[in-house]
This record gives sequence, C-alpha cells and structure tokens, in this order.
Amino acid sequence: GENVEQHPSTLSVQEGDSAVIKCTYSDSASNYFPWYKQELGKGPQLIIDIRSNVGEKKDQRIAVTLNKTAKHFSLHITETQPEDSAVYFCASRISSGSARQLTFGSGTQLTVLP
Amino acid sequence: NAGVTQTPKFQVLKTGQSMTLQCAQDMNHEYMSWYRQDPGMGLRLIHYSVGAGITDQGEVPNGYNVSRSTTEDFPLRLLSAAPSQTSVYFCASSRQDRADSPLHFGNGTRLTVT
Repeated sequence: GENVEQHPSTLSVQEGDSAVIKCTYSDSASNYFPWYKQELGKGPQLIIDIRSNVGEKKDQRIAVTLNKTAKHFSLHITETQPEDSAVYFCASRISSGSARQLTFGSGTQLTVLP
Repeated sequence: NAGVTQTPKFQVLKTGQSMTLQCAQDMNHEYMSWYRQDPGMGLRLIHYSVGAGITDQGEVPNGYNVSRSTTEDFPLRLLSAAPSQTSVYFCASSRQDRADSPLHFGNGTRLTVT
C-alpha cells in the first residue's frame, strides 16, 4: 500500500521567517495531495491541496509544490506568525473504486517563536 | 453549521469494558470514516463507510466494530477495551462523488484505557 514519509517531525522558526515541510510518497498512482493543519484540541482542517496535473499552488502565505518524478511534495509557509503554530499533516490519495482513503504522514509540530 | 460532531470528548475505560464513540454529521456526506491518532504515527484509518449499510475495514480495524444505519451517524464500538486502544479518535466525512473532496474532521475523542 501507499506509504507517506514526512519531515521534519518538529520545526521551530522565528516569527516572520519561512517554514518548509517535506513529504515523499511511494505509489506513483497517487494523484491528490492535501495538507491539513491541526490546532491544539481540534481536529485536522484542510488548508491547501494539489492535484497531480499541477506543479505548484499558492494561497496567500501558503504554497505547495509537487515533483511527480521524485514523488516529493512540500508545504511552504512564508512570513510565519504565532497563529501558524500547529501540527501539520501531509497526505496522499489514490482515486480508485469507491474507497478513497487518504494515507497520512506522521505530522510536523511547527512552533513559531515570537 | 455543526459539521462533524463527536461525543464524548474524553473517556476513561478499564480493560475489558465496552463503549461506543458517537459521530454525527449534518452535511449529507456519503463517506464517513474513523481514524486514530498516536504520537509519531499520524492518522491511521480504522473503518470507513461509503453510504448507509456499507462499511469496510481500514488499516487498523482489529478490536473495533462499526455500523452505518443512517447517512448522518457512524458510531465506533470497542467491544473489550485494551490499553493499546488508548488514543485520540477522529471521525471524518466527505462527499463521495468527487475524489478530491476534502475530509471534514470532528474535534476528537481522547480515550484512555487503564
């Protein structure tokens, strides 16, 4: 089955700096790559996603890049703010049949230091 | 909008006890699923359902049962709790008709088995 590896497991940055979280996936049939943000005591919430026919997507301070050849995708947060502190999960999905499960990475605890 | 509602928020069980974690969604989503979240292991799929009367196993189904009698509700049953089931449990739902429909998560149930 699909395997998603996520690095780093913890990341601390100064407010205003950029943060990058990287993921790799194993199954070349994966075609959808979402990123979720989980705040303390809450469930994960989708913040951005990318499909396999696109190399990059941006939404204000957040961007995601995808390298299908290398099976890598990354989350970039610019001008970080304290409210960006959370756990971030990458995921991948193979769209086949009726079972559209996501495979999640192990998560990155991002801390933005004021 | 309520979205995905999970109850209870916290639960302590003794080994061998049984209980049901409740999940309800008001978005008319066909797809519902249960995940467990453990430190360093991300989110792992326990069971999922693509519609009323249809359920299937995920990555870690042992020790858990589910049923789907209505579109709105997807309870998770622990028949004989074990300390290895100490975890945070999340219910999630999404549309079924689009492969890239985002998952909507509840706020979780923190379960401790002593």
